[in-house]
Amino acid sequence: EVQLLESGGGLVQPGGSLRLSCAASGFTFSNYALSWVRQAPGKGLEWVSTISASNHTYYSNSVKGQFTISRDNDKNTLYLQMSSLRADDTAVYYCAKTKMPRWYFDYWGQGTLVTVSS
Amino acid sequence: QSALTQTASLSGSPGQSITISCTGTSSDIGSYNLVSWYQQHPGKAPKLLIYEVNKRPSGVSSRFSGSKSGNTATLTISGLQAEDEAEYHCCSYATASVVFGTGTLVTVL
Repeated sequence: EVQLLESGGGLVQPGGSLRLSCAASGFTFSNYALSWVRQAPGKGLEWVSTISASNHTYYSNSVKGQFTISRDNDKNTLYLQMSSLRADDTAVYYCAKTKMPRWYFDYWGQGTLVTVSS
Repeated sequence: QSALTQTASLSGSPGQSITISCTGTSSDIGSYNLVSWYQQHPGKAPKLLIYEVNKRPSGVSSRFSGSKSGNTATLTISGLQAEDEAEYHCCSYATASVVFGTGTLVTVL
């Protein structure tokens, strides 16, 4: 059974940094792309970033240069390093297993809430 | 990377069919058969319903079907059931990026 468990969310001040983690199990982690998708309170889903099995990275224009996606295949863990955080980065951040090159998200974690506020 | 446009809310009675539209541009939906749909119940993670416009993952009810014409994708729910009350999100590939829709809340009367 595929499981994705996000962690690392919390309250951070504007301008601060945070690193999210996503621990994966139930599939061969190194063979698959993974993504971060966020959802601001009461809003729709927003794609944030994707990392392929071969470590190619893709970012939305809204986080390019601000967030960094990475993966550790030995630890079966996906990361999202977030810096210069703003109030509009407040959201639940989901980790999602991604089927490339067809670009859809077949399994999702339960999400971790990031709140940017002073 | 503007969000795809969806009707904010729809409602239907049990047994009815409803259609959710998702309008994009020639840079996303119009250029790729890489449209997917997700169902999200309140407080829960999204669940994949449809991928590559009209393919259903194993375990997803055949009451859900997808199609595309031009820059607009469509999700149809037939034989509406109480458990279908949820938010529905469309999604499309758009050249090295992904764009989601604004979301449609479906209410079962």
